[in-house]
Amino acid sequence: GEDVEQSLFLSVREGDSSVINCTYTDSSSTYLYWYKQEPGAGLQLLTYIFSNMDMKQDQRLTVLLNKKDKHLSLRIADTQTGDSAIYFCAEKKDSNYQLIWGAGTKLIIKP
Amino acid sequence: DADVTQTPRNRITKTGKRIMLECSQTKGHDRMYWYRQDPGLGLRLIYYSFDVKDINKGEISDGYSVSRQAQAKFSLSLESAIPNQTALYFCATSETGGRVYNEQFFGPGTRLTVL
Repeated sequence: GEDVEQSLFLSVREGDSSVINCTYTDSSSTYLYWYKQEPGAGLQLLTYIFSNMDMKQDQRLTVLLNKKDKHLSLRIADTQTGDSAIYFCAEKKDSNYQLIWGAGTKLIIKP
Repeated sequence: DADVTQTPRNRITKTGKRIMLECSQTKGHDRMYWYRQDPGLGLRLIYYSFDVKDINKGEISDGYSVSRQAQAKFSLSLESAIPNQTALYFCATSETGGRVYNEQFFGPGTRLTVL
């Protein structure tokens, strides 16, 4: 199948780390993405990782890719209220221009 | 000014009506996409276009049609709207032969309610 799966909600305390997980099914995927959707807005690319990489770090964001388990995670360090959003995982296959999207994880920040 | 705009932003209509959603972009991208977003289901691709006059069906094209008569514009039509087409609709664009990771740029969305 072509399912990308994510938990629908994650609740963390402000200042803690958030870890959003995603599993995908297609081992031929070349790129995996994290998009962020803020309330009332469209999606914006947050970060991406190429399939031959294990990890990518960009300021407070760390992406980990485990190809063997087809597992992708997004870690947000020092979570802030501005990080409240829905985070979508997506995969792109080399032979197909389409992206396969997860359902999105809503990140809730507790004070 | 926003690079990808959608009109209208909100629309309430009745079953059986014809509805057109418009998307315009100033990014100069060749590729354009229409998605719908339903709670708990993520984004599903309705149609996509890689160039003017190029139209391709996505995952859920039944009940929808599109028109791409200019590079900057991609419109989505519901010929006879039904309640299960109530959703948030997004237009997106991407470059052809641009950065290999092929980022998509999204409009703000159109919230459509079919009564």
